[in-house]
Amino acid sequence: NAGVTQTPKFQVLKTGQSMTLQCAQDMNHNSMYWYRQDPGMGLRLIYYSASEGTTDKGEVPNGYNVSRLNKREFSLRLESAAPSQTSVYFCASRTPGDTEAFFGQGTRLTVV
Amino acid sequence: LAKTTQPISMDSYEGQEVNITCSHNNIATNDYITWYQQFPSQGPRFIIQGYKTKVTNEVASLFIPADRKSSTLSLPRVSLSDTAVYYCLVGESYNFNKFYFGSGTKLNVKP
Repeated sequence: NAGVTQTPKFQVLKTGQSMTLQCAQDMNHNSMYWYRQDPGMGLRLIYYSASEGTTDKGEVPNGYNVSRLNKREFSLRLESAAPSQTSVYFCASRTPGDTEAFFGQGTRLTVV
Repeated sequence: LAKTTQPISMDSYEGQEVNITCSHNNIATNDYITWYQQFPSQGPRFIIQGYKTKVTNEVASLFIPADRKSSTLSLPRVSLSDTAVYYCLVGESYNFNKFYFGSGTKLNVKP
């Protein structure tokens, strides 16, 4: 049982480049989330998808887009990367009504 | 949205019991209290959840007084592997997008 899988684990981008972070879960969860975590800080919610076919903005959505491809997959896209987007990105999933969320191992992104 | 306050850091020694207190003065009637643990370079992991009184599982205990304005996560006999950041979150279970991960409490367990 893999849980929540994120790819890639590490990425270096140049300013202005675009990329998509992938997330897949195999727990049949309806809800999925994307967070970013800056050094020494807590997690901040970027976007979430309460169920397949829906997405909503979180606390810090600017500069990002998301796609809920199907129930398993939720991707995060940076259209034009900026140094301020250097961070560790975590994907999570959960069953609605449950406060236990399952997190992936994270993607460490550096924008130079 | 109930804001939480917890200590920035705590030190302990192996074998000791560690208690981390979280303050949530404006907790709402339908809010649950949830704790997560995060090791370096890993995503957070759910530890325990409670609504009132005491909850215990194989990892920790959660003590919640009657007024629910605070809660205490208790880790029995910590080991070096318990060194991590611990987050206290408060919110309605169906509104996880409103759960706020603050800076957490950095627990440093020493030998």
